[in-house]
Amino acid sequence: AQRVTQPEKLLSVFKGAPVELKCNYSYSGSPELFWYVQYSRQRLQLLLRHISRESIKGFTADLNKGETSFHLKKPFAQEEDSAMYYCALYTGGFKTIFGAGTRLFVKA
Amino acid sequence: DGGITQSPKYLFRKEGQNVTLSCEQNLNHDAMYWYRQDPGQGLRLIYYSQIVNDFQKGDIAEGYSVSREKKESFPLTVTSAQKNPTAFYLCASSMSRDRDGGYTFGSGTRLTVV
Repeated sequence: AQRVTQPEKLLSVFKGAPVELKCNYSYSGSPELFWYVQYSRQRLQLLLRHISRESIKGFTADLNKGETSFHLKKPFAQEEDSAMYYCALYTGGFKTIFGAGTRLFVKA
Repeated sequence: DGGITQSPKYLFRKEGQNVTLSCEQNLNHDAMYWYRQDPGQGLRLIYYSQIVNDFQKGDIAEGYSVSREKKESFPLTVTSAQKNPTAFYLCASSMSRDRDGGYTFGSGTRLTVV
């Protein structure tokens, strides 16, 4: 079955601490994965995509096919990183599956 | 300023009524989507459309209907057959030949059944 799992509903870290938001997927094909972010009172927006191998706002995510994971990482969390984060898997045919989301709270 | 506009922002419906949520985009995107967002469940796909005059059911299409008469517009009707319509509805779009670019989302419509 095609599935995206974000095991943590809430993640709370202190400012300056490393942060890792977990994402695991189940998919038989070659995965195309994304991270989306929703800041307070803003619309959901694309953060990064694995195919670009980019770093956005200090966040990176590496696709690990062996562990079927696409964890989002940042070495030093900032208060403005507090938001809802969604991992998403494109399954072809114009369909994307979203995880349930993880709310990141960065404490001062 | 390009983007997706959803209206209204808040919508209240009486039981037994049909309501239509508007979604308009000026990004020249070919594909458009409707998602439903419920707490703890992420986003679930209701309907999507790759081109004008064509659309497909998503994972939770029962009780919903859509139309795609214009490239810019993809309205969603929540019918009285939808058993639990109270939710946050998100519209999105993407370039059909550039799915790797991800989606652009609207700001959403919160529907409440009273």
